[in-house]
Amino acid sequence: QVQLQESGPRLVKPSGTLSLTCAVSGGSISSSNWWSWVRQPPGKGLEWIGEIYHSGSTSYNPSLKSRVTISVDNSNNQFSLKLTSVTAADTGVYYCARGQTVVTSSWVYYMDVWGKGTTVTVSS
Amino acid sequence: EIVLTQSPGTLSLSPGERATLSCRASQTVSSSYLVWYQQKPGQAPRLLIYGASSRATGIPDRFSGSGSGTDFTLTISRLEPEDFAVFYCQYYGSSGWTFGQGTKVEIK
Repeated sequence: QVQLQESGPRLVKPSGTLSLTCAVSGGSISSSNWWSWVRQPPGKGLEWIGEIYHSGSTSYNPSLKSRVTISVDNSNNQFSLKLTSVTAADTGVYYCARGQTVVTSSWVYYMDVWGKGTTVTVSS
Repeated sequence: EIVLTQSPGTLSLSPGERATLSCRASQTVSSSYLVWYQQKPGQAPRLLIYGASSRATGIPDRFSGSGSGTDFTLTISRLEPEDFAVFYCQYYGSSGWTFGQGTKVEIK
C-alpha cells in the first residue's frame, strides 16, 4: 500500500523559500502516476499547487507558477516542492498526493493517496 | 479557467437525514474528471467519488454522486455520525486541478 510522507522546515521567513519533500513508500514513484502538492491555509479550502510525472514533466497552478518548482528524485523515490518569495499568505498545511488515472468507460483521474500533511508557517 | 461553486456553504442536519450537496462549474466540464473528497478536522482529504459517480474503494454505498455538464451532486442517503465533515468537489481541466470552496455538513 502506497504511503506518502511530507517533510521539511516548519518555519520559513518572509521573502524566503519554502522547501518540502514527499517520500513515497510501498510503491515506486516511477509508476504511471502524477504526483501533486496541495495546500490549505488555516480555516480555508484546498488549493492545488502543481504536479509532476516521474519523467520530470510538470504542470503548475497558473496563480503560483512564477514562484513554484516541483522536482522528482527517482533514485530516492521522492518528489519536492520549492516555493519562493513567500509571505504570510503561504502559511498553511501542505499535502502531497498521488494522482491516479484509470480507464473505465473513459479515462478518469483523481487523487487517491494523500500524505498526512505538514504545517508550514511563514513568519519572521 | 473553470470555477467550481459549491452550495450550500453549510448544511445542518441530523443523523439519519439525507444530505444533498451541489457543485456547479462555470462552464461545461467532462464528468470523467469531476471528483469529490471528504475532509475531517486535522486530517487529509479522503477520496469519495471519481468520474462524477463512481465510488472509491471502501466508500459506503450511502454516498453517491451524479450530474453532468455544469451541475453535479453528492448525496449521502442517511447520515451517520462519522459523516459530518467538509466536502470538496474538484475538477481537472486545461489549467490543472481546481477545487470548490467546500460544503460543511454539521450536526444540527
